[in-house]
Order: sequence, then structure tokens, then C-alpha cells
Amino acid sequence: DAGVIQSPRHEVTEMGQEVTLRCKPISGHDYLFWYRQTMMRGLELLIYFNNNVPIDDSGMPEDRFSAKMPNASFSTLKIQPSEPRDSAVYFCASRRTGGNQPQHFGDGTRLSIL
Amino acid sequence: AQSVTQPDIHITVSEGASLELRCNYSYGATPYLFWYVQSPGQGLQLLLKYFSGDTLVQGIKGFEAEFKRSQSSFNLRKPSVHWSDAAEYFCAVGASGTYKYIFGTGTRLKVLA
Repeated sequence: DAGVIQSPRHEVTEMGQEVTLRCKPISGHDYLFWYRQTMMRGLELLIYFNNNVPIDDSGMPEDRFSAKMPNASFSTLKIQPSEPRDSAVYFCASRRTGGNQPQHFGDGTRLSIL
Repeated sequence: AQSVTQPDIHITVSEGASLELRCNYSYGATPYLFWYVQSPGQGLQLLLKYFSGDTLVQGIKGFEAEFKRSQSSFNLRKPSVHWSDAAEYFCAVGASGTYKYIFGTGTRLKVLA
């Protein structure tokens, strides 16, 4: 089974540029989560989807961040315009329905905003 | 409100020694509990999970964890640590009725040869 696939693995860009992070969940998983990990704040949930519909976006830091899930096999997290404080590792995770199902994580995208 | 506390930010053990990583949670009902491991440059990998039943849970890589309701704890243990176990370990709690997890701040494990 292929795991959660994220791209790119690393992204370096200048402040003000648009950044798009991509995620392909595990086939058959109907929940998808976006997290951000920093030294200062640890692992934070940004948003999660169920059956491609955003359920809880209360963790999205501000309007510069947006996430979409156009179909069951693809999601994007976009930052526009990007700022240096957005530098972090962004993880995508997916899981099946069912209270006892764990989340499976991708390897993350390391984002550096100069 | 739900919360997870991992009191130890860093732990150093010698290879071959036993290991216990602490995790305390706050949640009114029986939670779903998880331990994940993160190696440098990698995502989080599930080590084990607890939902109900036997309070001693076996996981991958020789790890186990024990759920103690009276102490609100879910400590991770390994009888003999290997150098490859050096990583960061995260405890997480998931509440029934929600698909969100609350993660602890992690414990970074260093293994001395």
C-alpha cells in the first residue's frame, strides 16, 4: 500500500510568493488532515476534511492560508502571500472512518520563506 | 478541555537499557490513545494505539504502552533500547465523536552507544 504522498518535500521561496503544498491520501481513506510543525508551537492541526468537505478549519492561522480537496485523492494547502513566519514543516495525514482508526502521516514538506 | 502532557522534553539512555516515556492526558471519558515516532526528516509513524480492552498494548519495534485510568497515563516502554530508536516520540489523544487528535509536545530520545 502506498502511504500518504506529499509534494514537494522541500520548498524555498521568497516572501510574498504563493506557495502550494500537495497531498495524496491513502486510497480509501475519507478523512484528510493538514498539520504544521514548528519548534515553538509543536504540531498544530490546521484543517481537516471528510469526504472532500472541510469540517474544521479553526486552526488555519489567517486568511493567507487556504485548503482545498477537489477529489478524494488530492488536496492542496496554499499560502498567499507567504511570510517568513510561515516557515515550518507541513504534514498531511489521512485515515478511514471509524473511531479506532489511526491517522497515517506523509513525510512532510519543509517550507522555508526567505 | 482535552490535553496531553509529555513531561520530559529530552531523555538520554544507553543502548540496551530500558526506556519509559511518560504521557498524561486530560479527558472526561475513555480516550483513544496513540504513540507515534518521528525520525529526522520523516513523518510520524504509528507505534501503537489503545481504544479499549486490555490495558497493556503491544506495538511495533518492540514497544508497549500501559493505559492507567487512575493516573490518566499512557506511558510507553521498551525493555532494551537500540541505537535506531533515537527519534522524537509523540503521545496523542483522540476523543470519541471527533476525528481530531491532540498531540503532546514530544520527547526527544537520545541513545548512547
